Amino acid sequence: GAVVSQHPSRVICKSGTSVKIECRSLDFQATTMFWYRQFPKKSLMLMATSNEGSKATYEQGVEKDKFLINHASLTLSTLTVTSAHPEDSSFYICSARGRGLDNNQPQHFGDGTRLSIL
Amino acid sequence: QKEVEQDPGPLSVPEGAIVSLNCTYSNSAFQYFMWYRQYSRKGPELLMYTYSSGNKEDGRFTAQVDKSSKYISLFIRDSQPSDSATYLCAFRSSGSARQLTFGSGTQLTVLP
Repeated sequence: GAVVSQHPSRVICKSGTSVKIECRSLDFQATTMFWYRQFPKKSLMLMATSNEGSKATYEQGVEKDKFLINHASLTLSTLTVTSAHPEDSSFYICSARGRGLDNNQPQHFGDGTRLSIL
Repeated sequence: QKEVEQDPGPLSVPEGAIVSLNCTYSNSAFQYFMWYRQYSRKGPELLMYTYSSGNKEDGRFTAQVDKSSKYISLFIRDSQPSDSATYLCAFRSSGSARQLTFGSGTQLTVLP
């Protein structure tokens, strides 16, 4: 099946550091990529949607200057958490969807990045 | 009324049991129906994906969609301890380029 690789799987860093998370689709071209945040024992919360070569669309309440998203190619999207603070500590998960008629391809998820800001 | 309702559990069953997981939804625009399995500290893994009413079978898993009742189910036959995970139902509208709507997830434990 479709594989989405997310890296790194775990980050621990000091407050004020910027952290970059990569998301790659390994065996398909991802026309759309999604970034989610998940709190313990909660469902996924969509942060933003990005189409290759376009600016990301952010969900209400998500700071675009805080969470920079780049979708430079059909196989790579990055999320940069700028000047991270302890409240940004969370589990971040990317997802990718390939080409298809009527956007009917399913989303495939990466294994997530656990971010801990000290 | 929530757009999607899913019993969070936790649900514990003995190994070999048939497991039934369910979600109800209120948005009649939903046309695509998915079940994801999420192990602890991992991303969701797509188990079943369908866009019509009826049953879809894949190995020990059967997904059932009843659009008239706005109800979907996932059945797991001969459940194994390795099936212990959180199961998320997810929905998407036709033509939507954006997000999935997730259920809150059901935590399942299969006891050896």
